[in-house]
Amino acid sequence: GQQVMQIPQYQHVQEGEDFTTYCNSSTTLSNIQWYKQRPGGHPVFLIQLVKSGEVKKQKRLTFQFGEAKKNSSLHITATQTTDVGTYFCALIWGGNNRLAFGKGNQVVVIP
Amino acid sequence: DAGVIQSPRHEVTEMGQEVTLRCKPISGHNSLFWYRQTMMRGLELLIYFNNNVPIDDSGMPEDRFSAKMPNASFSTLKIQPSEPRDSAVYFCASSYLGGAGETQYFGPGTRLLVL
Repeated sequence: GQQVMQIPQYQHVQEGEDFTTYCNSSTTLSNIQWYKQRPGGHPVFLIQLVKSGEVKKQKRLTFQFGEAKKNSSLHITATQTTDVGTYFCALIWGGNNRLAFGKGNQVVVIP
Repeated sequence: DAGVIQSPRHEVTEMGQEVTLRCKPISGHNSLFWYRQTMMRGLELLIYFNNNVPIDDSGMPEDRFSAKMPNASFSTLKIQPSEPRDSAVYFCASSYLGGAGETQYFGPGTRLLVL
């Protein structure tokens, strides 16, 4: 099956600082989705990227799809305590909306 | 919209007992997915249905696991007999398959502990 690798797996971020999490694939992706899971919660859809080089912003979050469509990144500026959680990237493969999730990047925010 | 509904939210059972997890997808969605999440293995797809038909159950760990979707508004995941290593959070998600890359909406999950 398809796989995506996420780095880093864990991050401790000082409140107010910026951080980036990455998602890499060895194969070209048709699209990629990002989800966020709060501690004790369930994954919640954030965004989908489809086009090569695409950049989308949601307030302090910037999502990017690589030119070769083999990697993606999520950059968060001015981290807040509400940003704590695990960020997953997921790729759609095999049709039928099937998703393969990365292992996630668990983010801890230090006040 | 009520979102995806799962029950029970928490389940504690003893090894060897049968466990049934339930899911009600979002109305109008035609795809349903069962996932298992553990610290060691992350988020794993167990099985998914399109229009109530199981499409791929290759993620089901073993014959002790079975899933059904008798109609568009209800699905079950059954573990019989349960084992301690089945302890995990089980999520149900639904989406609408009508184009490319539809969002999956996850339920709150069932936290299963097998003693």
